[in-house]
Amino acid sequence: AQKITQTQPGMFVQEKEAVTLDCTYDTSDPSYGLFWYKQPSSGEMIFLIYQGSYDQQNATEGRYSLNFQKARKSANLVISASQLGDSAMYFCAMSLDQGAQKLVFGQGTRLTINP
Amino acid sequence: KAGVTQTPRYLIKTRGQQVTLSCSPISGHRSVSWYQQTPGQGLQFLFEYFSETQRNKGNFPGRFSGRQFSNSRSEMNVSTLELGDSALYLCASSLYGGRNTDTQYFGPGTRLTVL
Repeated sequence: AQKITQTQPGMFVQEKEAVTLDCTYDTSDPSYGLFWYKQPSSGEMIFLIYQGSYDQQNATEGRYSLNFQKARKSANLVISASQLGDSAMYFCAMSLDQGAQKLVFGQGTRLTINP
Repeated sequence: KAGVTQTPRYLIKTRGQQVTLSCSPISGHRSVSWYQQTPGQGLQFLFEYFSETQRNKGNFPGRFSGRQFSNSRSEMNVSTLELGDSALYLCASSLYGGRNTDTQYFGPGTRLTVL
């Protein structure tokens, strides 16, 4: 069965610092996708970044990068130069090719950026 | 391109009533998935529709149902509401939903309160 674990319920970071949000996953399927979403207090889930299990390089999207360590089954999100607007819940999620439309989410990490 | 829209945004119902939530996907997207988010259970997959057919279903009772129309718009229905159905209901759309590379884009959600 698929499982996503986010071990940091909350994190507090100073503005402009880099922050790493942890995510470990468990699946026996060799083909999977890993996603990070941001959920502000308004509730909408905003897609940030995607990493495929066969991708050779770590994904990057602007200030977001994904530190993908396949052997450790980890997919940590790195936000560089954090901004006040980055304060939100962050969710790591996984999908498999079988039933790919079903995302399995972790419990989330609440990130607070302090000025 | 317009994002995923959900109506209504807020809903208050009483136990025993039924409710219908609506979701309009991003133009051109044919897969629509529904998720329930609660503080206790986190984000859980309800079901997914593609070409008016339910392709995948989560572990929810039969009181939860859905459908998709020929224009890819989707509705979900919850009958005989219970207090535990109070949640944020999120709809997500993707192009085809058939591979783990297919990113799901979420709407703003419908916040349902059952009294």
